[in-house]
Amino acid sequence: DVKVTQSSRYLVKRTGEKVFLECVQDMDHENMFWYRQDPGLGLRLIYFSYDVKMKEKGDIPEGYSVSREKKERFSLILESASTNQTSMYLCATREWGRAGTDTQYFGPGTRLTVL
Amino acid sequence: GNSVTQMEGPVTLSEEAFLTINCTYTATGYPSLFWYVQYPGEGLQLLLKATKADDKGSNKGFEATYRKETTSFHLEKGSVQVSDSAVYFCALGGRNNRLAFGKGNQVVVIP
Repeated sequence: DVKVTQSSRYLVKRTGEKVFLECVQDMDHENMFWYRQDPGLGLRLIYFSYDVKMKEKGDIPEGYSVSREKKERFSLILESASTNQTSMYLCATREWGRAGTDTQYFGPGTRLTVL
Repeated sequence: GNSVTQMEGPVTLSEEAFLTINCTYTATGYPSLFWYVQYPGEGLQLLLKATKADDKGSNKGFEATYRKETTSFHLEKGSVQVSDSAVYFCALGGRNNRLAFGKGNQVVVIP
């Protein structure tokens, strides 16, 4: 079974703090993703990475950066947290290649509150 | 660009009722289509998928058929249980490995 773990289930930070959200996968997948999930807006893609040290902006990258130094780990960084970044953050990996295989696997999520 | 539209609002129904959640899409080419489910307090799990027109995805009693002529991928289950209470997301596979998600539908099944 694919396992995607996120460093925290719940996190509370103050405005202006630097925040690190960590995601680790154990299946050697090349592609990894960070989404945020908000009521009424569904899931929105922040950043994704298609290999080590490779990244691409998603639909809402402003205020975020990412780091992928090792294949299994993809970090989301909030350089200076703001209250409008209070949200649920979901990490995902993508399995693809074999015929008919194209699936994203999600971690349990980190609910971040910025005060 | 690629996009997915799900019906508005939560869905509340009684146990053993028939469930339909509508999903329509806009896309270029022939994308894969997915339904994901999110149980309370958890991340998303793949429920089912279809990779080409007329394919039917099925899992746990849920079904959805990839209809190119109506650009739809509606989710159905013949007899829901309380344990099916969750949020359901329709998604479309697109360029650069991205998924485009619908906004989700909260399903509440009452005993």
